[in-house]
Parts: sequence; structure tokens; C-alpha cells
Amino acid sequence: NAGVTQTPKFQVLKTGQSMTLQCAQDMNHNSMYWYRQDPGMGLRLIYYSASEGTTDKGEVPNGYNVSRLNKREFSLRLESAAPSQTSVYFCASSPRGDRGRNWYGYTFGSGTRLTVV
Amino acid sequence: AQSVTQLDSQVPVFEEAPVELRCNYSSSVSVYLFWYVQYPNQGLQLLLKYLSGSTLVKGINGFEAEFNKSQTSFHLRKPSVHISDTAEYFCAVSDYNQGGKLIFGQGTELSVKP
Repeated sequence: NAGVTQTPKFQVLKTGQSMTLQCAQDMNHNSMYWYRQDPGMGLRLIYYSASEGTTDKGEVPNGYNVSRLNKREFSLRLESAAPSQTSVYFCASSPRGDRGRNWYGYTFGSGTRLTVV
Repeated sequence: AQSVTQLDSQVPVFEEAPVELRCNYSSSVSVYLFWYVQYPNQGLQLLLKYLSGSTLVKGINGFEAEFNKSQTSFHLRKPSVHISDTAEYFCAVSDYNQGGKLIFGQGTELSVKP
């Protein structure tokens, strides 16, 4: 009954370092999403994957890459971290990529708090 | 393009008082609307949703929201708040043609004081 699992929970990087944030869901959901949360700005979509094998840019994709490894896993990579990428990152999943009358939105992970110094 | 505006960044209120958190959206097509709650250092949890049908939607923890199409609003209300309702609340919208992408508002911090 894990839902959406994100690792790590906390990370400190130096400017220029790279890292991958991992996300896995066990609910057989088709769609997965990466958001970043910054004070006063709500959640902004970085990338999403409507279904296995597809990925698309969201509102703030610059500086990030993603991989939909399989139906369960969707990773977010920072190739060269910058202080502007200090944020809380949330992964989410949804059972349908094309909405539906019973759609309940997303299930969220607990977040990764990333600090770039 | 869609957008969501939460009109209050912070709402302080005393325990047992009523509260309304305001949300307005813009979209040229029909939408789905959501309210999520985030407790400190946690992820987001669904409070309630509007997909279709009755414009008054009831959610968990005694919250409700009313969809007003003419005013493009989806305000969240609770008649009597508890200390445990202290959290950040996010309004979100998705239209029928966006592949399930949710667009979030900036968030409203609800602070319930004894």
C-alpha cells in the first residue's frame, strides 16, 4: 500500500553536480508527473509522462531531463545543478492520461527536498 | 491556456470560526477542479473535486466547495475550523483536453489560532 515513493527525501548538491530523483508507483497508473514547489509559486509542472514510452515538457523543463523507465518508474535528472533548482520536488501519478468521469486527480509522493549550494 | 489564482496567500482565523479560501480560474473550455491540502513537511492530499453534476461538492474533514461557472470560481469553505486544519491549501484545474495535467494555484496558508 505504498502509493508513490520518492527517493531520496533530502539532498544537498554543489553547483554543477548531477543527480537523479527516483519515483515509483505501485498503483498501475498510466500517467506520471514531476512538479517543483517554491514558496509563493505553488506547484509548477516540470515534465510529465501520459503513458509508458512517452514524455513531454511542462511549464518549467529547462535544466531537467526525465526517463519513463517502465510503467512504474519515472525519474528526474539534473545534469548540472544550479542554486535556482533549490526546491521541493514532487512526483505524482494518475490512472488516466485522458481524464474520465471518475478521475480523482493525482496521488502524490512525499517529496524530495533539494538544496543546491 | 489555463490559470488558477488563489486570492489570499495567508488566512489567519480563530478556532471554531468559519473560513473561506478563494480560488478563481481561467479556461476557455470545460474543466475539472480540485482542492488539495498539504500539511507541514508532507505531500499533497486530495480534499475534494468537481468533475460534473452538483455544483456543491463535499470533501473530507468537513470541507466543501462550490463551483460557479459564471464567475469561474471554486471557493473552499468550512463552517468551523480546528487547530488541525492549519496547512497549505492548493486549488488546481485541469481541462478536458490537457491529458490530465493539473495547473495549480499559488497556495493559501491557513493558520488556525486558539
